[in-house]
Amino acid sequence: SQQGEEDPQALSIQEGENATMNCSYKTSINNLQWYRQNSGRGLVHLILIRSNEREKHSGRLRVTLDTSKKSSSLLITASRAADTASYFCATALIIDDYKLSFGAGTTVTVRA
Amino acid sequence: NAGVTQTPKFQVLKTGQSMTLQCAQDMNHNSMYWYRQDPGMGLRLIYYSASEGTTDKGEVPNGYNVSRLNKREFSLRLESAAPSQTSVYFCASGVTGRGNTIYFGEGSWLTVV
Repeated sequence: SQQGEEDPQALSIQEGENATMNCSYKTSINNLQWYRQNSGRGLVHLILIRSNEREKHSGRLRVTLDTSKKSSSLLITASRAADTASYFCATALIIDDYKLSFGAGTTVTVRA
Repeated sequence: NAGVTQTPKFQVLKTGQSMTLQCAQDMNHNSMYWYRQDPGMGLRLIYYSASEGTTDKGEVPNGYNVSRLNKREFSLRLESAAPSQTSVYFCASGVTGRGNTIYFGEGSWLTVV
């Protein structure tokens, strides 16, 4: 079974609104990363948060990490049509951080 | 800067045929990966290579073999393709070590009929 699971599976919002998606995982991690995938393309790294960090920002992205609950959230503020994509969380385990384990993703649609 | 390059982009195989997916990176990364992506399943790791000369199984290695030809190249071989191997395959590379952000190729769409 996969380490990370995103929620919700799909999200539809109006341009300018905020989009929030969550990721839960099962075992202790070294870090957690978020990736974006546009339709028909490869994944692109967005942001990495280490296990000793609680919050991180990058432009319109805000990521939180709660290791006690084994969960993370990704917030995209003031969404744009170009943010339409699938978003995946990926975890690097403490015991083997060479490998990243991906969840099934959240598909975000931003309506103009 | 090409990043991670995969070939072919699209391929249709008949059951039982063999083929090799090629991957090359020009970022001087030590680690390389092969993932497959199926609808509703996210990405699943097939094989990875932490450094030149080493390869290890991932989550779903059955039916696949890999070769780390040199630091730049990591190929994935299907010896006897099965319909269950119809998928999108992604190669990725990264710097070995903690905080391992990885960089993906554009994907190879494989259909086995």
